[in-house]
Amino acid sequence: AQSVTQLDSHVSVSEGTPVLLRCNYSSSYSPSLFWYVQHPNKGLQLLLKYTSAATLVKGINGFEAEFKKSETSFHLTKPSAHMSDAAEYFCVVSPNNDMRFGAGTRLTVKP
Amino acid sequence: DADVTQTPRNRITKTGKRIMLECSQTKGHDRMYWYRQDPGLGLRLIYYSFDVKDINKGEISDGYSVSRQAQAKFSLSLESAIPNQTALYFCATSVVRGGRSDTQYFGPGTRLTVL
Repeated sequence: AQSVTQLDSHVSVSEGTPVLLRCNYSSSYSPSLFWYVQHPNKGLQLLLKYTSAATLVKGINGFEAEFKKSETSFHLTKPSAHMSDAAEYFCVVSPNNDMRFGAGTRLTVKP
Repeated sequence: DADVTQTPRNRITKTGKRIMLECSQTKGHDRMYWYRQDPGLGLRLIYYSFDVKDINKGEISDGYSVSRQAQAKFSLSLESAIPNQTALYFCATSVVRGGRSDTQYFGPGTRLTVL
């Protein structure tokens, strides 16, 4: 069975400081992994994805994530938070054709 | 993403009523999905369809049914709505790469309230 766990339901950072959103997954197959962002009252937008190519994946808006098979992790990072990064972030695992979402991490950015 | 549209955007209904949520896409994707979003639970897959003749149950299909009328249209029905079906519902489409579902494109969501 496949599942994904987002280790923090809420993360709060100050503007200009680094962001770390943690995601662990379990999968019987070699999975595809995604991060999506949802701004308030909006649909979801793809930030980045891992599909068995490079383990360090760069996405939009300065975000990146590293696939670590030994740790079954796919943490999302950004060197410097911006106010516009405040949103909910979802880690998604797709081992085959199903899609499993994590519960989400709400990122708050303080001025 | 304007390429995936959902109607209605908001709906309030009563327990026992039949409700249909509609999704249309202009992206030309074969694969379409219906999810519900509840606070603290992320998105959970209700049904998905790989083409007009291929419909599959997702994680939480009980109480729901779907119809894939055409490649571009995928409808979700609640035959007899109940209050715990109050949620935000999203439709999505996806491309296929290497035989797998790849990036998903989401509609704006339908907020459904069942009284």
